[in-house]
Amino acid sequence: EVQLVQSGAEVKKPGESLRISCKGSGYSFTSYWISWVRQMPGKGLEWMGRIDPSDSYTNYSPSFQGHVTISADKSISTAYLQWSSLKASDTAMYYCARPVLGGDAFDIWGQGTMVTVSS
Amino acid sequence: SYVLTQPPSVSVAPGKTARITCGGNNIGSKSVHWYQQKPGQAPVLVIYYDSDRPSGIPERFSGSNSGNTATLTISRVEAGDEADYYCQVWDSSSDRPYVFGTGTKVTVL
Repeated sequence: EVQLVQSGAEVKKPGESLRISCKGSGYSFTSYWISWVRQMPGKGLEWMGRIDPSDSYTNYSPSFQGHVTISADKSISTAYLQWSSLKASDTAMYYCARPVLGGDAFDIWGQGTMVTVSS
Repeated sequence: SYVLTQPPSVSVAPGKTARITCGGNNIGSKSVHWYQQKPGQAPVLVIYYDSDRPSGIPERFSGSNSGNTATLTISRVEAGDEADYYCQVWDSSSDRPYVFGTGTKVTVL
């Protein structure tokens, strides 16, 4: 079964750092980009950026460039989303997603990781 | 950057047809994908490339795209179709290439 499994919910304080993960299985991890999508409470979906796990090339939305870092370790089929200094406004559900082969529709989604940032 | 506009809400009686629109400048020239998101769950792809259905998606779900509007149609609506629906396109000219619509809450009366 093709799936993306994300790490568990996190509760952090402002200014703290955090890395969440997304592990792919059931397919060739290096053959598909992985994107990260944010969903703030009660709001819509926002594309944050993506990574090509084969060479770790990344693209970021201007809205998130410089505030998050996307990385991957192809040896363990895992992508990461990282913050060096969290803000309360980072409180959201974060999804990783994989597009269809050669396309731009996301057919596989992780279950989501809820990040809560509160003092 | 490219903007996709959806109505905030659509209400429909069971057994009837729901139509959810997604407006964008010359969207007919792009491929449109649709996602269903139920409360507490990750999005699920229900239509891709305007009108294709992934495996396991009922034939009741269909899509079309022309001019400045794409439409997701849900026929013979069931209670289980109550969810948020998002359209999405790829905008190759943008530095934010994956664009999601604003989302539509479908309520089954």
